[in-house]
Amino acid sequence: NAGVTQTPKFRVLKTGQSMTLLCAQDMNHEYMYWYRQDPGMGLRLIHYSVGEGTTAKGEVPDGYNVSRLKKQNFLLGLESAAPSQTSVYFCASSYSGSKGWGQFFGPGTRLTVL
Amino acid sequence: RKEVEQDPGPFNVPEGATVAFNCTYSNSASQSFFWYRQDCRKEPKLLMSVYSSGNEDGRFTAQLNRASQYISLLIRDSKLSDSATYLCVVNIGTGGFKTIFGAGTRLFVKA
Repeated sequence: NAGVTQTPKFRVLKTGQSMTLLCAQDMNHEYMYWYRQDPGMGLRLIHYSVGEGTTAKGEVPDGYNVSRLKKQNFLLGLESAAPSQTSVYFCASSYSGSKGWGQFFGPGTRLTVL
Repeated sequence: RKEVEQDPGPFNVPEGATVAFNCTYSNSASQSFFWYRQDCRKEPKLLMSVYSSGNEDGRFTAQLNRASQYISLLIRDSKLSDSATYLCVVNIGTGGFKTIFGAGTRLFVKA
């Protein structure tokens, strides 16, 4: 089992460029999440999905879009990158109703926007 | 006020020491609680869930005090490999989409 994988691992963008981050999980988890982590702050939820074909906004959704066309994949898109989106992005997945299970994270994508 | 607050540290302890971290949360609707470990430039990894009755996993003991709204993590016989940032995590309600991560407490264990 690979668990949760993310591509790419690193990326540098110029302001205004677009990109898509891919997350894949092989644990048959219903729930998937995208977070960003900035220095000195806790992880903040960008968007999440409770199942194939459904997505919802988290705490900091502005400037991002997501899609979950297949249960195992969750894509995060930046349509017009801004320097404020420089961060480390983590994808995570969990069993449905993760009350007692916790979340499993991918290795992260380090994004720099110049 | 942050919803989940932790002392950022760093805690510098010698090998073999016992160290304790506390975390407070503000939302009384919080339903599940976890400690995660995050190594430098790596992803967070689930360390253990936290229950009111307290739970132990080897050298690690976690405790939840719902009345006072705090969570603790005790590490006994610290190892060099325990050096990491420890994240306190709270789920508000069911589902994982109202999960609040603390900013973490840094631990350095020295020989």
